[in-house]
Amino acid sequence: DAGVTQTPRHEVAEKGQTIILKCEPVSGHNDLFWYRQTKIQGLELLSYFRSKSLMEDGGAFKDRFKAEMLNSSFSTLKIQPTEPKDSAVYLCASRPGVQNTLYFGAGTRLSVL
Amino acid sequence: QQKVQQSPESLIVPEGAMTSLNCTFSDSASQYFAWYRQHSGKAPKALMSIFSNGEKEEGRFTIHLNKASLHFSLHIRDSQPSDSALYLCAVSPNSGTYQRFGTGTKLQVVP
Repeated sequence: DAGVTQTPRHEVAEKGQTIILKCEPVSGHNDLFWYRQTKIQGLELLSYFRSKSLMEDGGAFKDRFKAEMLNSSFSTLKIQPTEPKDSAVYLCASRPGVQNTLYFGAGTRLSVL
Repeated sequence: QQKVQQSPESLIVPEGAMTSLNCTFSDSASQYFAWYRQHSGKAPKALMSIFSNGEKEEGRFTIHLNKASLHFSLHIRDSQPSDSALYLCAVSPNSGTYQRFGTGTKLQVVP
């Protein structure tokens, strides 16, 4: 079975640009998560979907971050407009919904200049 | 809001040594506790998890949970260079919610 696929692996953006990160969860998984990873803050939750419904969104990220699940096998995370402090690794994870183990993608490393 | 903290921040151990990693949490209602391992540039991968107080062993890895102390740990017996990675602990209040993570412990096992 394919794991979680994230594209692109690396993204460089100018301040103020709009960028869209993509995630394909493991087939059949009902839960999908977006996390942001930095050395200082660790993994911070951006969004949590269950069966395509938004269950949680990270309060501090609401204004410029928007995650969507267009269908059960594809999700996007839009950052608009980007700021240099958004430079981080963005991780997507999925799980079947009947267990707790998260299956992560390799992440997208975003650099905002 | 749940706080999850890990110690130490980084650790260097010789090959063959026992490694102990710590995680503390603030919400006493937490019910699920897990460790993930992330090799450099790779996806975090689940190692072990536990629900109730006590110990659980899988191969060279042992997880120990003490809810009263708001603490759980991961012990690696006979540490190998391939164990060198970032170790992340995660906590959630129940099965239906998201996991909160610590900032990680960077482990280096030297031959």
